[in-house]
Amino acid sequence: AQSVAQPEDQVNVAEGNPLTVKCTYSVSGNPYLFWYVQYPNRGLQFLLKYITGDNLVKGSYGFEAEFNKSQTSFHLKKPSALVSDSALYFCAVRSGGNEKLTFGTGTRLTIIP
Amino acid sequence: DAGITQSPRYKITETGRQVTLMCHQTWSHSYMFWYRQDLGHGLRLIYYSAAADITDKGEVPDGYVVSRSKTENFPLTLESATRSQTSVYFCASIIEGQGETEAFFGQGTRLTVV
Repeated sequence: AQSVAQPEDQVNVAEGNPLTVKCTYSVSGNPYLFWYVQYPNRGLQFLLKYITGDNLVKGSYGFEAEFNKSQTSFHLKKPSALVSDSALYFCAVRSGGNEKLTFGTGTRLTIIP
Repeated sequence: DAGITQSPRYKITETGRQVTLMCHQTWSHSYMFWYRQDLGHGLRLIYYSAAADITDKGEVPDGYVVSRSKTENFPLTLESATRSQTSVYFCASIIEGQGETEAFFGQGTRLTVV
């Protein structure tokens, strides 16, 4: 069975500071990893994904994520946080040949002006 | 409009009533999914479908029924609603055969069972 853990329910960061939202995963086979963002009363929006290749992937709105196979992690990062980054962030995993996408419990990111 | 559309956006129903949540996508994606979102649980998969007339259970299927007579529609029915089914429901779709592609989500349906 595949699973995702987001160990922090809430992350607070001052505007302009770097931010990290943590994610670890468990899957059989090669993982496909995704980050989604959810703004209030909205659906999930895709941010970025890791499929293969370079361990550092870049996505929308200046976000990036680093895939670490030995630590089974896929942390979301941004060098300089904006107040508009405040939202709920979900990490998700899927393995090759399995179309089911498994989500973590989400991390609420609050950027403090 | 192109994309994935859920209806209604908001629904209040009484315990024991049957209610159907609609999902329609315009891309002809083969795979479609229903998730529920609850505080502390994130998104949990209820049912999914690989193609028309092919459906399978997810993590939390009890109390729900799905059908997929057409590729573009994937309705979710609560046969006899219970308060524990109060949640936000999301429909999603993925292109067939491209496991690397991201899922696309609808705007969600907020269901309250009183």
